Amino acid sequence: DAKTTQPNSMESNEEEPVHLPCNHSTISGTDYIHWYRQLPSQGPEYVIHGLTSNVNNRMASLAIAEDRKSSTLILHRATLRDAAVYYCVDNYGQNFVFGPGTRLSVLP
Amino acid sequence: NAGVTQTPKFQVLKTGQSMTLQCAQDMNHNSMYWYRQDPGMGLRLIYYSASEGTTDKGEVPNGYNVSRLNKREFSLRLESAAPSQTSVYFCASRRLAGGPQYFGAGTRLSVL
Repeated sequence: DAKTTQPNSMESNEEEPVHLPCNHSTISGTDYIHWYRQLPSQGPEYVIHGLTSNVNNRMASLAIAEDRKSSTLILHRATLRDAAVYYCVDNYGQNFVFGPGTRLSVLP
Repeated sequence: NAGVTQTPKFQVLKTGQSMTLQCAQDMNHNSMYWYRQDPGMGLRLIYYSASEGTTDKGEVPNGYNVSRLNKREFSLRLESAAPSQTSVYFCASRRLAGGPQYFGAGTRLSVL
C-alpha cells in the first residue's frame, strides 16, 4: 500500500522561505505527487502537483527527487495566511493516499 | 462560482439511523470522491466515481454506499450509522486523471 510520511510540525518566520518535506516510500513510476493545505474547519485546498520534474505555480514550488522517493514543497515567502496543515499525497489512478500532514506555524 | 457544495454542514444521528450526504459540483468535472477525516488525521478515501455511471471502493468503504446520480451529483449513504462513523466527510471532484482535486467545505457528522 502507498504510504507517505511527513514531520508533525514546523515553524517559520514571516517573509522567510519554508521547505516542507515528504517521503514517498512506496511511490511507483506513474504516481503523481500532490500537495494540499487545510485551514481549520475548511476543506483541503489544492497547492501544487507534479510527476517527475520540478513544478512552479503562483502559490509554491515543488521539488521532486530524482528517485521520486521524496518531495519538498517550497513556500518562497511565508505569510501569516500560510499557517495551515500541509498534506503530501500519492495519487495512483483514482486513488489518493494522504500523508499525516505537517502543521506549519508562521511567526510574525 | 460555487465549486463543490456539500449538504448538510452538520448532522447528529443516533446509532442505527440512516442518512444520505449530498454533494454537487458545477465545474463539469468527470471524477468525484468521498473522504472521511478523523480528528488529527489525514483524509481517507471511502468511494470514488471515475465517470458518470461508475463507482468504486476506496480504502475504507465498509458501512457506506454511494450513488453517482448524474455528472454533477455524488451522494454517500450510511444505512445504519455507528459511532465509529463519527467524522468529518469531504466530497471532492476533478476534471482529468492526474489533475488536482477540488474539495467541498465538509459535513460534520456525530453518531451517538
